[in-house]
Amino acid sequence: AQSVTQPDIHITVSEGASLELRCNYSYGATPYLFWYVQSPGQGLQLLLKYFSGDTLVQGIKGFEAEFKRSQSSFNLRKPSVHWSDAAEYFCAVVRGSQGNLIFGKGTKLSVKP
Amino acid sequence: EPEVTQTPSHQVTQMGQEVILRCVPISNHLYFYWYRQILGQKVEFLVSFYNNEISEKSEIFDDQFSVERPDGSNFTLKIRSTKLEDSAMYFCASSGDGGINEQFFGPGTRLTVL
Repeated sequence: AQSVTQPDIHITVSEGASLELRCNYSYGATPYLFWYVQSPGQGLQLLLKYFSGDTLVQGIKGFEAEFKRSQSSFNLRKPSVHWSDAAEYFCAVVRGSQGNLIFGKGTKLSVKP
Repeated sequence: EPEVTQTPSHQVTQMGQEVILRCVPISNHLYFYWYRQILGQKVEFLVSFYNNEISEKSEIFDDQFSVERPDGSNFTLKIRSTKLEDSAMYFCASSGDGGINEQFFGPGTRLTVL
């Protein structure tokens, strides 16, 4: 069965430092992968997505993610974190023909000044 | 920019009562979804809806749940007899192409069952 694992529950980084959030997926075929961000009291906003082609994908707010089939990973990165990036980040994979999303448990990002 | 809206933002109900959560998807979208997020847990898929019928549902979506698109704009989730464990944030989402590109999420309705 398809699944998504985010091994880090909570990460704290200093403002200006680089960030990498880990995501591993389990899926038989080529996955459709997403990263969503959820700010407190807000809905889910799409950061970026991977379907095929270039394994390094660029998203909004300066985020990027790299798809590595050999490692079944789709890690999210940002070279320099801003205080406004503090939020919860969810990795997801599409399951089924209707595009139903399977989410990971999320990683909460805290940013210290 | 078009967005998905949900009402109410917070609903408090007594156990055993019926609740209806409302969503207005983006107007030209054809695929609709409900997800829920129990506090501190991951977002879970409940149901997808296309062409006026359920296209897929999870094991969570039992007989107590139903969805409807009563008119051209609203998409509702009904819970017939709420249980304590139904307390969660419920998110509506819509997509123009079956979610392969992007599902647009609403801000959620927080349901509290007492």
